[in-house]
Amino acid sequence: NAGVTQTPKFRILKIGQSMTLQCAQDMNHNYMYWYRQDPGMGLKLIYYSVGAGITDKGEVPNGYNVSRSTTEDFPLRLELAAPSQTSVYFCASSYGVETQYFGPGTRLLVL
Amino acid sequence: AQSVTQPDIHITVSEGASLELRCNYSYGATPYLFWYVQSPGQGLQLLLKYFSGDTLVQGIKGFEAEFKRSQSSFNLRKPSVHWSDAAEYFCAVGETYGGSQGNLIFGKGTKLSVKP
Repeated sequence: NAGVTQTPKFRILKIGQSMTLQCAQDMNHNYMYWYRQDPGMGLKLIYYSVGAGITDKGEVPNGYNVSRSTTEDFPLRLELAAPSQTSVYFCASSYGVETQYFGPGTRLLVL
Repeated sequence: AQSVTQPDIHITVSEGASLELRCNYSYGATPYLFWYVQSPGQGLQLLLKYFSGDTLVQGIKGFEAEFKRSQSSFNLRKPSVHWSDAAEYFCAVGETYGGSQGNLIFGKGTKLSVKP
């Protein structure tokens, strides 16, 4: 099992550009999550999904969108990148309310 | 509102010394409790978790944590720290009811440095 994979590992965006952060898991987990991590702030939940076709907002959803067309994939979309979106993004998955397993992260720099 | 507090931003201990990292939470019911560790540039790895039952839980790498309901705490301990334990440690509460069931609320983390 590869677990939770994320691509890319690192990306630089210009203000106003858009991009999609990819996340995939091969553990057949029904729940998937996107977090952002900023220095000294812990992890904040952006969006989550309890199954294919079902998504919901977390604590900090503004500026982001998600979709969940399959159990395995949960991409995060940034439509108009802003400097405030400079962060490290982590995807996670779990089987119901059990332990969440995290990917290695995507480091995003918006200039 | 639900929250997790890790009072210590940065702790330095000598190799071989004991360690205790503090975690306090605010939650309206009995939560699920987790400790994760993050090495520099890496993702988060689960150290241990508490869902129910014995309030003293054992984890990987020789770590343990004790759930104290009366103090709303879930402190992480290790009797003898190794240099490889240097990392950032996150306490998290898992929501157990409502529409956000399963979501994690993280503390801001405690960075552990280990001196030789």
